[in-house]
Amino acid sequence: DVKVTQSSRYLVKRTGEKVFLECVQDMDHENMFWYRQDPGLGLRLIYFSYDVKMKEKGDIPEGYSVSREKKERFSLILESASTNQTSMYLCASSFLLAGGYNEQFFGPGTRLTVL
Amino acid sequence: SQQGEEDPQALSIQEGENATMNCSYKTSINNLQWYRQNSGRGLVHLILIRSNEREKHSGRLRVTLDTSKKSSSLLITASRAADTASYFCATRGDTGRRALTFGSGTRLQVQP
Repeated sequence: DVKVTQSSRYLVKRTGEKVFLECVQDMDHENMFWYRQDPGLGLRLIYFSYDVKMKEKGDIPEGYSVSREKKERFSLILESASTNQTSMYLCASSFLLAGGYNEQFFGPGTRLTVL
Repeated sequence: SQQGEEDPQALSIQEGENATMNCSYKTSINNLQWYRQNSGRGLVHLILIRSNEREKHSGRLRVTLDTSKKSSSLLITASRAADTASYFCATRGDTGRRALTFGSGTRLQVQP
C-alpha cells in the first residue's frame, strides 16, 4: 500500500514562529504536493515539486516555502507563522505518468493552529 | 479561482438510496477525478475519467463527464452509512500543469 505520512496530526504554534511540516512517501513518486484546506474553500495548492530540488508555486504560495532534498521527503515551511495560516495542511504524492492520468495519494493531514 | 464547484454543498439521504453529486468546471481538462474524505482525514482517490470518456463505473460508483457543459456527476448507488464523507472533484487541465484543482466539496450524510 502507498503510504504518505505527515510528521504531526495536530500542531499549535505562536505568531512569528518558524514552522516545519514534514511529509514522507514510500512509493518513489516523482510528484509531491502541499495543499491547505479551509471550510468552504476546498483544497488550495500551495507548492508542488516534480523532482528533487525542483519546486513550483501553486495558487497560494505567499508566506510559505518548501524544500525537497530527497525524493521521498517534501517539507513545507512557514517562515513566520500568522493566525491566518491556521488551517488543515495536506500533503500528497503521485507518479509522473505520460498523459497526466495519475491519481494523488494523500497523507492524513496536519491541523495547525497559530495563536 | 475555483476550477471545480460541487453541487449540492450538503446532501442527506437514507441508507439504500442513491446519492448524486455534481461538479462544474471552467477550463478545458485532461481528466477529472473524484476523491472522498472522511472527517478530519486525508483524501482517498475514487475514480478518474479521461476527457474523451463519457461514463465510467467502479463498484457502486458511476461517473459521467460532459465536456461540452464542463460538468461531471458522481452517483453512489445503494448508499451505506459508511459512505458518509465529503466528496471532491478535481480537474487536471490540458495545459501541462501537473497539479490538480479541487472544488469545495459535497458533504454527504447517509442516515442508517
